[in-house]
Amino acid sequence: AQSVTQLDSQVPVFEEAPVELRCNYSSSVSVYLFWYVQYPNQGLQLLLKYLSGSTLVKGINGFEAEFNKSQTSFHLRKPSVHISDTAEYFCAVSEGNAGNMLTFGGGTRLMVKP
Amino acid sequence: DAEITQSPRHKITETGRQVTLACHQTWNHNNMFWYRQDLGHGLRLIHYSYGVQDTNKGEVSDGYSVSRSNTEDLPLTLESAASSQTSVYFCASSGPGTGVEETQYFGPGTRLLVL
Repeated sequence: AQSVTQLDSQVPVFEEAPVELRCNYSSSVSVYLFWYVQYPNQGLQLLLKYLSGSTLVKGINGFEAEFNKSQTSFHLRKPSVHISDTAEYFCAVSEGNAGNMLTFGGGTRLMVKP
Repeated sequence: DAEITQSPRHKITETGRQVTLACHQTWNHNNMFWYRQDLGHGLRLIHYSYGVQDTNKGEVSDGYSVSRSNTEDLPLTLESAASSQTSVYFCASSGPGTGVEETQYFGPGTRLLVL
């Protein structure tokens, strides 16, 4: 069975600094990977997804993530964060035979300070 | 614009009562999902449906039921509410296919407190 681990429950960072949110997964088959963002009191929105092709995926709001099969990781990065990036970020995985079903990690709260 | 809505947004109920949470989408999506969100656990799948009259159990389905009588709605019923079901509940939809390429769109959530 697949599982997703987000190694940091909270990441504080100053505005305009770079940030990396870590995500590792375990699966015995091919996987597809996603990052979602949840702003306060809202539902989740898709940031980016890796289905195939280039391992570097670019998403909305300047975020990008890199799929590393050997390290079973899909870390999310942004070179310069803004106050408005303060939110909860969720990594999710779907296995090759699971259709549209997602398994989510526990989430990482990004706190951007002025 | 197409959207997905949930009602109520906040609900307080008592242990043992039956509660139904509504989810309505106007995307005309075939796939609908119910998740619960608890601190440290992320989102966990309760039930899902790939079309009218189709329902399936997810990871944490005990104590919950769903029915799909049309494309737009997937109500979630807590048959006898328990304090362990205090949580934030999210509905999502995707489509038209059932493949991994279909993006799930989430509703705003329902915050349920069981006393």
